[in-house]
Amino acid sequence: NAGVTQTPKFQVLKTGQSMTLQCAQDMNHEYMSWYRQDPGMGLRLIHYSVGAGITDQGEVPNGYNVSRSTTEDFPLRLLSAAPSQTSVYFCASRTGGGELFFGEGSRLTVL
Amino acid sequence: EDQVTQSPEALRLQEGESSSLNCSYTVSGLRGLFWYRQDPGKGPEFLFTLYSAGEEKEKERLKATLTKKESFLHITAPKPEDSATYLCAVRGGGTSYGKLTFGQGTILTVHP
Repeated sequence: NAGVTQTPKFQVLKTGQSMTLQCAQDMNHEYMSWYRQDPGMGLRLIHYSVGAGITDQGEVPNGYNVSRSTTEDFPLRLLSAAPSQTSVYFCASRTGGGELFFGEGSRLTVL
Repeated sequence: EDQVTQSPEALRLQEGESSSLNCSYTVSGLRGLFWYRQDPGKGPEFLFTLYSAGEEKEKERLKATLTKKESFLHITAPKPEDSATYLCAVRGGGTSYGKLTFGQGTILTVHP
């Protein structure tokens, strides 16, 4: 049982480049989300989705886009990378009881 | 706005030395308080959910308790493998679709 799978695990970008972080879950959870984790800031919600075709913004959505075409997949797109987006990104899916299950993380460095 | 404060920021224990981690929270209509464990380079791993004051849950050497203002994660006779960052989060009734608000975590180090 894979749970939540994120790719890539590591990525280095130059300022202005775009990229997509991939996330897939095999638990048939309707709710999926993206967090970023920065030292001293804790986990902050970027975007979330409550089902295919439905997405909404979290606390720190600027500079990121999401879409949800299937229950399984929830990619996060960085439109024009900035050094402030250097962070560790976590995708998570959630049970009906509210428990989040996280992926292993994607460490992004923007130069 | 929901808020979560964890203390201490870091805790060093000797193997076998029991202690507690604190999670203080303010939330509009608590719909769940969650504890997670995070190992270096990994995603957070779910430990417990508590829903109401007075509730307790246990797993191996860990026991989580909940009051109306705070939660404690008690660690009994810890082992070096319990070393990790422990995160607390709350889900409030006032937030759309039950967003979780996380604390900054307590880094626990257990020395042999």
